[in-house]
Amino acid sequence: GQQVMQIPQYQHVQEGEDFTTYCNSSTTLSNIQWYKQRPGGHPVFLIQLVKSGEVKKQKRLTFQFGEAKKNSSLHITATQTTDVGTYFCAGPSGTYKYIFGTGTRLKVLA
Amino acid sequence: DAGITQSPRHKVTETGTPVTLRCHQTENHRYMYWYRQDPGHGLRLIHYSYGVKDTDKGEVSDGYSVSRSKTEDFLLTLESATSSQTSVYFCAIIGDSSGNTIYFGEGSWLTVV
Repeated sequence: GQQVMQIPQYQHVQEGEDFTTYCNSSTTLSNIQWYKQRPGGHPVFLIQLVKSGEVKKQKRLTFQFGEAKKNSSLHITATQTTDVGTYFCAGPSGTYKYIFGTGTRLKVLA
Repeated sequence: DAGITQSPRHKVTETGTPVTLRCHQTENHRYMYWYRQDPGHGLRLIHYSYGVKDTDKGEVSDGYSVSRSKTEDFLLTLESATSSQTSVYFCAIIGDSSGNTIYFGEGSWLTVV
């Protein structure tokens, strides 16, 4: 069946360092979404990418959708303690059904 | 937060007992979902609903059943809880007016001992 994997599973960085998480799908995706979950909280939508090769930025966060629409990445420049949490990608798996990646848990050391 | 309420928020139950988690929404969304979250597995879809009395299985549906008798309520039942069902359960909806954005409830922490 369809799978969405993320690497790394965990990442510890010093505050101010950059961070990247990668998302890989076993199938081509019509779009990809990214979510952030703070410790003890619930996932919250960050962004959706639709076009092949699309790049979107939100302040220090840069999101990219691969040319083949099977992979995506989230890059955070100069991490802050507020970036702590788990980041998930998600892609459609049928009509109005989404499959989530395994998540990358980010810890930022002050 | 799309008006999603989950109950109970925390529960400890014994192996073999039935457990029902409730998801209530106030904004008349058509699509509702139950996910479970476990370390190393991310969020996995258990069951989903696309309307009253219309439900379907997700990736990890074994041991779970659902019901949706009203638009606003989506119930998840563990017929006979097992320790492997210890998890955090999230209800979610797709915000119809926002396209595909998924909104999650606060989560229900379930421990089966």
